[in-house]
Amino acid sequence: DTEVTQTPKHLVMGMTNKKSLKCEQHMGHRAMYWYKQKAKKPPELMFVYSYEKLSINESVPSRFSPECPNSSLLNLHLHALQPEDSALYLCASSQELKGSFYEQYFGPGTRLTVT
Amino acid sequence: KQEVTQIPAALSVPEGENLVLNCSFTDSAIYNLQWFRQDPGKGLTSLLLIQSSQREQTSGRLNASLDKSSGRSTLYIAASQPGDSATYLCAVGAYGNNRLAFGKGNQVVVIP
Repeated sequence: DTEVTQTPKHLVMGMTNKKSLKCEQHMGHRAMYWYKQKAKKPPELMFVYSYEKLSINESVPSRFSPECPNSSLLNLHLHALQPEDSALYLCASSQELKGSFYEQYFGPGTRLTVT
Repeated sequence: KQEVTQIPAALSVPEGENLVLNCSFTDSAIYNLQWFRQDPGKGLTSLLLIQSSQREQTSGRLNASLDKSSGRSTLYIAASQPGDSATYLCAVGAYGNNRLAFGKGNQVVVIP
């Protein structure tokens, strides 16, 4: 099974709302990622968790808060977002062994619209 | 900083023709290279992964080659079909670093 699942598929939220995106994988991968993708652009890395610890934060605004409750789950908590944060949010996972990283598998994404 | 380029940005081919997509990168010290397919509004589907020690990988009608010395990878899709219409992204991974450097993609349309 090479599936990464994401919920919800679509999300519309106001600038004062608090919402969360969820990602799950059961491939035993120990690295999990959040990406943001705008239309006609490649994905941009936001956060990386390695063995449930945050290893990379690409200077993402604090209104985005990641969480990795266990090795299979990854959340992205959203608060006080701006309209320019509207995008497709992608989760990915990969195997990680002794600092080496392998093929990344992506989920279907959450289409976020901030009104 | 690794720079990844995919040219052309968009191309159309008649059904049945072979597709050739090119990816170039500036730093040859790569760990691996991954080709993805993305349909509009969807996530990325991994097509092929080539490790730095490999020269090519094949899966069905797809073949990807890697020439580290010249900083190039090529994705071949044999006998293209309308279902191959999508954006194809090339991404380069570095040693000890799980960041992928993405190209901007090739948007492909296969005309029936």
